[in-house]
Amino acid sequence: QSMLTQPPSASGTPGQTVTISCSGSSSNIGSNYVYWYQQIPGTAPNLVIYGNNQRPSGVPDRFSGSKSGTSASLAISGLRSDDEADYYCAAWDDRLNGYVFGAGTKVTV
Amino acid sequence: QVQLQESGPGLVKPSETLSLTCTVSGGSIGSYYWSWIRQPAGKGLEWIGRIYTSGSPNYNPSLKSRVTMSVDTSKNQFSLKLSSVTAADTAVYYCARGRFEGFDPWGQGTLVTVSS
Repeated sequence: QSMLTQPPSASGTPGQTVTISCSGSSSNIGSNYVYWYQQIPGTAPNLVIYGNNQRPSGVPDRFSGSKSGTSASLAISGLRSDDEADYYCAAWDDRLNGYVFGAGTKVTV
Repeated sequence: QVQLQESGPGLVKPSETLSLTCTVSGGSIGSYYWSWIRQPAGKGLEWIGRIYTSGSPNYNPSLKSRVTMSVDTSKNQFSLKLSSVTAADTAVYYCARGRFEGFDPWGQGTLVTVSS
């Protein structure tokens, strides 16, 4: 059982906005930065959001992150077919003294 | 541009020790955290632990008794050893650089199967 809770799936049509939630606790999201990774099946994960809401260079501004209290979310606007992937949230956990991941959300376009 | 490449046996017998190495190219291994992360087939990501070029490593508490990580700065490599493996340790193992900006980059991953 993951310490970060994500919905197993989310879907939308091209052009729509899909939002994925990630719920944690005071020891992880509540006191540390949140990261989001995109994983296309058969490939390594790729960072899309760091520091709660920062985009690495090369990641389109259609991807945005936010955090409030012990929850975070990733929004993908202007949905495209190549956004189909699994998305994972992650954060450092002060109690475990290690990183924790959510179980992942499969986005279908 | 920094690139990471995992290497090691793809098949390990139950109760033996899994050993993997990650080679860092295109940059120095110094001044960063280096992590191992694994993913069983069809399942999510699990952080195994991280090591810095100096100081004590951090391990996932659920694996801590079986994990050892080390760094060889002369070879620009870091390594993972996981002892007493079982079928539950069968997974794709990734190495990744860790910093404030997240785990980036990642290696391509290597499948390790535990079977007799």
